[in-house]
Amino acid sequence: GAVVSQHPSRVICKSGTSVKIECRSLDFQATTMFWYRQFPKQSLMLMATSNEGSKATYEQGVEKDKFLINHASLTLSTLTVTSAHPEDSSFYICSARVLGLAAYEQYFGPGTRLTVT
Amino acid sequence: GQNIDQPTEMTATEGAIVQINCTYQTSGFNGLFWYQQHAGEAPTFLSYNVLDGLEEKGRFSSFLSRSKGYSYLLLKELQMKDSASYLCAVRVDRGSTLGRLYFGRGTQLTVWP
Repeated sequence: GAVVSQHPSRVICKSGTSVKIECRSLDFQATTMFWYRQFPKQSLMLMATSNEGSKATYEQGVEKDKFLINHASLTLSTLTVTSAHPEDSSFYICSARVLGLAAYEQYFGPGTRLTVT
Repeated sequence: GQNIDQPTEMTATEGAIVQINCTYQTSGFNGLFWYQQHAGEAPTFLSYNVLDGLEEKGRFSSFLSRSKGYSYLLLKELQMKDSASYLCAVRVDRGSTLGRLYFGRGTQLTVWP
């Protein structure tokens, strides 16, 4: 089946530094990837939609200069949290939509736990 | 925005049946998903409804009424391993961006022996 990986699975960084999270579709091509954030005991909040070869579309209230998204190929999207602060500590999950197959399904990565100290 | 509402918590006993409801209000609606999520893990796909009616898949069934903005997930023959958070998500297709998913807050189901 369709597999999505994320790297790293866990990261701890100091306040003010930047962190890059990778999302890869391992056995399929994904024209569209989505980035979500999930705070403890809350649901997933869509942050942005990432389309291969074009600029990401950000949801209202998400700072595009703080959360940089790059979708350079059909199998890789990256999210960079710039100048991270403790309030950015969260579970970040990506998903990918399969090119050419049933248009409805998204496959989720295992998530990245970010802790900013 | 999207208003997606589901109960915060539910409890049931092993072998029982439980129904988790979800109501939504959104423009650009193009389908409703149910996902299961265990703590600290990514969501896993359970079901997808785009037309009105009931979709059955083993112990899990999902129902959709588009006119009422209502869906439910029905879990039969509950097992301990079904204890998890169940997320209702609506797909929104608007403008040039397709496939956005907006999630409810999730229903934490606890199954007791």
